Amino acid sequence: GEDVEQSLFLSVREGDSSVINCTYTDSSSTYLYWYKQEPGAGLQLLTYIFSNMDMKQDQRLTVLLNKKDKHLSLRIADTQTGDSAIYFCAESKGYNKLIFGAGTRLAVHP
Amino acid sequence: EAGVAQSPRYKIIEKRQSVAFWCNPISGHATLYWYQQILGQGPKLLIQFQNNGVVDDSQLPKDRFSAERLKGVDSTLKIQPAKLEDSAVYLCASSSYSGGQYNEQFFGPGTRLTVL
Repeated sequence: GEDVEQSLFLSVREGDSSVINCTYTDSSSTYLYWYKQEPGAGLQLLTYIFSNMDMKQDQRLTVLLNKKDKHLSLRIADTQTGDSAIYFCAESKGYNKLIFGAGTRLAVHP
Repeated sequence: EAGVAQSPRYKIIEKRQSVAFWCNPISGHATLYWYQQILGQGPKLLIQFQNNGVVDDSQLPKDRFSAERLKGVDSTLKIQPAKLEDSAVYLCASSSYSGGQYNEQFFGPGTRLTVL
């Protein structure tokens, strides 16, 4: 099938690290993405990883890819209240068609 | 650089009525996408255009949904007649295409449709 699965909710304390997990289905996906959606706003691309990589770091963001288990994770270091949002994992198929998970709602509390 | 523009931002209609959404992509972006995002779910691709041709419309309910991009720039998505289950946010995205490769998709703010 085309299901990309994510846990639905994560709550962390400000300053801690957040880890959002995702499993995808298609081992032939070329790119895997993390998008952020804030209330009333469109989707913002946070980062992506090419399928032949196993890790990518971009400032506070670290993406880990385990191709064998089709598992993707996003780690946010030093999580801030401004990081509160819904995070979507997506895989690309065909002609850049994105298959999204249901999203993980991240709540950051003091 | 201006982003993807969509209008209207909100629309409330009764079931069996018709509705149309408009999208203006980022200038120069050859590829345009319409996604449907139902509350609590991730976006689902409805249709993808490359210039004014359809690349993928496999998940478009063609009995009631239609979309066009006549001049290869802006696009309209229409629902006729609407059903309750069409209540969702309709997101438009665009991307450039170069060297045989699709680039990052940029999303508009979406149109929130409520069908009563």
